[in-house]
Amino acid sequence: QKEVEQDPGPLSVPEGAIVSLNCTYSNSAFQYFMWYRQYSRKGPELLMYTYSSGNKEDGRFTAQVDKSSKYISLFIRDSQPSDSATYLCARGRSNFGNEKLTFGTGTRLTIIP
Amino acid sequence: GAGVSQSPRYKVAKRGQDVALRCDPISGHVSLFWYQQALGQGPEFLTYFQNEAQLDKSGLPSDRFFAERPEGSVSTLKIQRTQQEDSAVYLCASSDTRRDSDNSPLHFGNGTRLTVT
Repeated sequence: QKEVEQDPGPLSVPEGAIVSLNCTYSNSAFQYFMWYRQYSRKGPELLMYTYSSGNKEDGRFTAQVDKSSKYISLFIRDSQPSDSATYLCARGRSNFGNEKLTFGTGTRLTIIP
Repeated sequence: GAGVSQSPRYKVAKRGQDVALRCDPISGHVSLFWYQQALGQGPEFLTYFQNEAQLDKSGLPSDRFFAERPEGSVSTLKIQRTQQEDSAVYLCASSDTRRDSDNSPLHFGNGTRLTVT
């Protein structure tokens, strides 16, 4: 079993819809959970991170962690065509700036105008 | 300011050739990572430097892979005797996090796409 599991999609939704992206993880020894967005032929860029459990909101994006079920979610409200990208969940054991991250496979998302 | 720069952007190598991939991190960033991203997969950790010290090389898949960062800035990932399974995008990332300091996100470059024929 991979440490971080993510449905690879692809996922296509109409513009304006709410998008839900999900990951599960198998090892509880993690404190940091992250979502990265990766456009085609570009490097990943950090969207959001959360520490331990709970929700975090930033504009149209909400990240949610449920440690009891080992579930990580990213919600995108009022989706835009510019949100079309691959979304990667990741986890780290501690301060993620100086420790390796474990990524999921990535979910390819397309927003249809 | 400038982000993480990687060169070349694309590299085609014949099986058995040696390749060298370069990473210029953001100026002043202490931490530097190399990741390998196969087609349709997420990035997989290869190795980590803090300044010039290679603190973790547990992700390097074989002894054909070697990374260095001699002056604590530019880093080179070298792959000897390339194999077809080495075909992937190699991503470099840097961070200004120091030990015991606040969180600092990784800044990724756009990668080098290596194709071994």
